[in-house]
Amino acid sequence: DGGITQSPKYLFRKEGQNVTLSCEQNLNHDAMYWYRQDPGQGLRLIYYSQIVNDFQKGDIAEGYSVSREKKESFPLTVTSAQKNPTAFYLCASSTGLGETQYFGPGTRLLVL
Amino acid sequence: AQKVTQAQTEISVVEKEDVTLDCVYETRDTTYYLFWYKQPPSGELVFLIRRNSFDEQNEISGRYSWNFQKSTSSFNFTITASQVVDSAVYFCALSEADAGGTSYGKLTFGQGTILTVHP
Repeated sequence: DGGITQSPKYLFRKEGQNVTLSCEQNLNHDAMYWYRQDPGQGLRLIYYSQIVNDFQKGDIAEGYSVSREKKESFPLTVTSAQKNPTAFYLCASSTGLGETQYFGPGTRLLVL
Repeated sequence: AQKVTQAQTEISVVEKEDVTLDCVYETRDTTYYLFWYKQPPSGELVFLIRRNSFDEQNEISGRYSWNFQKSTSSFNFTITASQVVDSAVYFCALSEADAGGTSYGKLTFGQGTILTVHP
């Protein structure tokens, strides 16, 4: 089955710790994206990547970092610099930049 | 800057009623794409439709239909004969594009409309 997987489903972090969220896709898509969703709000773009070894900041990149070493993987690191990291994080991919984005199941991050 | 407004925060209907979800957008570009996504309680966003700014034809897919009107910058979504399984949060989104129709890739989402369908 082709799709996008995100792990873990729930993640707990202590203040001051960095944490990495996984996103893997086997759809052979070139572009990948990370969004953040807060309660009662729409999604906001954190980072996106058009191709391997290339990525661009979105609207709310501060306190986050990404890498794109493989086509199928686009991990997101939430650093201690992110002041309010508790949120629902969604990864998406598309055949190319601007094409329809398909989403993974998401990871809920809770800072304790 | 682009903006998407979904003025209805929550809608509650009884099964078999028709329901329309409103979406109004703002963009300076003449070329853009509009989307609707469904987010069930599981959290994953499910793609429903993509429409480009040059195609104002309404679309129907089963119980779903979409009304795109450039004159009012609206892209409304109607569910006919609603069912309990339609209960979800629905998002409208906009992606701007260059003159050649190539999208810049960034999706701007509205705040979502929570639809609850009661049996």
